[in-house]
Amino acid sequence: NAGVTQTPKFQVLKTGQSMTLQCAQDMNHEYMSWYRQDPGMGLRLIHYSVGAGITDQGEVPNGYNVSRSTTEDFPLRLLSAAPSQTSVYFCASSYYRTGGGYGYTFGSGTRLTVV
Amino acid sequence: GDSVTQMEGPVTLSEEAFLTINCTYTATGYPSLFWYVQYPGEGLQLLLKATKADDKGSNKGFEATYRKETTSFHLEKGSVQVSDSAVYFCARVNTGNQFYFGTGTSLTVIP
Repeated sequence: NAGVTQTPKFQVLKTGQSMTLQCAQDMNHEYMSWYRQDPGMGLRLIHYSVGAGITDQGEVPNGYNVSRSTTEDFPLRLLSAAPSQTSVYFCASSYYRTGGGYGYTFGSGTRLTVV
Repeated sequence: GDSVTQMEGPVTLSEEAFLTINCTYTATGYPSLFWYVQYPGEGLQLLLKATKADDKGSNKGFEATYRKETTSFHLEKGSVQVSDSAVYFCARVNTGNQFYFGTGTSLTVIP
């Protein structure tokens, strides 16, 4: 089925470890984003991309890197995990069409625990 | 700066009760506005949207009207069901296609 695929669904890391959260979409959307969801804080934008080769920082970018080498993929890298990065991470892809509004699709999330 | 503010939860209602979840926004211009729903253990799903003033978004019995006079986009449903139990997020999008979400309102509907 078309949509946004995130892997893994669950992950436990030790402090200082690195890992990459994968995100792929098959809808040919230009825009992709990463959010983290924490209790009482809603969703906060980490990084986003408006197209292949272009990325930018959101509200809470520290400790995370992204790249966008293809339209389909937008991996999120934790370089040195910290307990403060324990959260649920959502990837999203979206499009905008003049006169056609917005479309925005979320992945099912990755629950990350850093111990 | 631009933001979205929604009423804090949790909200607990009996089945068939009337639901209102308030949402207000601050933004330059007239952003598109959205309500997303997150069921337990799942990602966010678009519930409804409105792209200009006075538009009414509706889906699954939920409605929200874009009110530019009060900068609001309150979510309503006339008769909630147990299956509506979820977390609801109000959101707006800026011209750069970045979404900004409220903090979410948890709704529990009891039989």
